[in-house]
Amino acid sequence: KAGVTQTPRYLIKTRGQQVTLSCSPISGHRSVSWYQQTPGQGLQFLFEYFSETQRNKGNFPGRFSGRQFSNSRSEMNVSTLELGDSALYLCASSLAGGREDTQYFGPGTRLTVL
Amino acid sequence: AQSVTQLGSHVSVSEGALVLLRCNYSSSVPPYLFWYVQYPNQGLQLLLKYTSAATLVKGINGFEAEFKKSETSFHLTKPSAHMSDAAEYFCAVSESGGYQKVTFGIGTKLQVIP
Repeated sequence: KAGVTQTPRYLIKTRGQQVTLSCSPISGHRSVSWYQQTPGQGLQFLFEYFSETQRNKGNFPGRFSGRQFSNSRSEMNVSTLELGDSALYLCASSLAGGREDTQYFGPGTRLTVL
Repeated sequence: AQSVTQLGSHVSVSEGALVLLRCNYSSSVPPYLFWYVQYPNQGLQLLLKYTSAATLVKGINGFEAEFKKSETSFHLTKPSAHMSDAAEYFCAVSESGGYQKVTFGIGTKLQVIP
């Protein structure tokens, strides 16, 4: 069974631009979570989607948004990029996000903002 | 509110020595706790999780962790370190038990000295 895939793996943008990252969960998984990882702040929860609905959101500004499609693939968008948005963005999927599930992570998309 | 504190951002052990990575949590409800490992340029992999079934949890690669409510701790141990254990380790907590909103610690980088 294929794992969680994220595209692109690397991205370079300039301040003020917007970016869209994509995540394809493991087949059959309907819960997708997004995390931002930086050296200073560590891993921070962005949001979680289940069946095309955002169930939870972390403490990030409205510039960060996401969506999930009917096939469970998810995208996250960051508008008006800032230097501080440079990070590794990780996507993770699980069957339903429940306590009996196991969450599997993708390799991440490394975003550099110049 | 839930939070996790990992004591020691860097830990060095000799090959064959005991590995002990410390994690303390704060939670307003009985927590669900996780340990993840991250190898360079990769996503996170679940090592083990505590879901209140047993206080001593055995995970993959010979790791285990013990939940101690009185000490609000969930330290990760391995009797004998292997070179391949060199990685970054993250402790995480979820009050819901699921993956809808997970809070991670800052991470501990483990160095294994031959």
